Amino acid sequence: DIQMTQSPSTLSASVGDRVTITCRASQSINNWLAWYQQIPGKAPKVLIYKASTLESGVPSRFSGSGSGTEFTLTISSLQPDDFATYYCQQYNSYSRTFGQGTKVEIK
Amino acid sequence: QVQLQESGPGLIKPSQTLSLTCTVSGGSISSGGYYWSWIRQHPGKGLEWIGYIYYSGSTYYNPSLKSRVTMSVDTSKIQFSLNLNSVTAADTAMYYCARDDILTGASIWGQGTLVTVSS
Repeated sequence: DIQMTQSPSTLSASVGDRVTITCRASQSINNWLAWYQQIPGKAPKVLIYKASTLESGVPSRFSGSGSGTEFTLTISSLQPDDFATYYCQQYNSYSRTFGQGTKVEIK
Repeated sequence: QVQLQESGPGLIKPSQTLSLTCTVSGGSISSGGYYWSWIRQHPGKGLEWIGYIYYSGSTYYNPSLKSRVTMSVDTSKIQFSLNLNSVTAADTAMYYCARDDILTGASIWGQGTLVTVSS
């Protein structure tokens, strides 16, 4: 099975900061990677799919990049609504795997 | 607009079978290109993919749960279901159903239902 390793597990940042989260796959996933945001008490919401495509309605401060096994999610200027937990997920194979999550906290 | 809603008992006893249903509204479950998925989240933990079912009935399960999981689909009722047998306290979690698009991943989620396993 494909393993997904996300880092860091926790990130402390201030409003306006540029934030980067990394996700590494145990084998190539051909860019079939999604990023999700989860606010406490809510279901996850997809932000980015196919590694770099912004889901409709998602603010442009969110961006994704990478290919093969290394991927990043960047928030260009952190806003109050962005304090949440972020997950990557591979959907290359028939199975799906999530990363462990990155909690973005207020510094 | 497609919406998903989970339903099922919130409390079950150890060794019983957890049974949940996801009702799809605003769309058809029979259209191709989507995998109808179950995902769970243990309290305070990350997301765990349980598996999915295609409208044809084809399934794929997480290998770590495969021996205990069965999924089914009822296209006439626009529902799909999850059965997880021989539950223990370790199966206490929020259970989500989701529509997994083969291009975008899990783009639509239900609100989730909390299932507690306790005697």
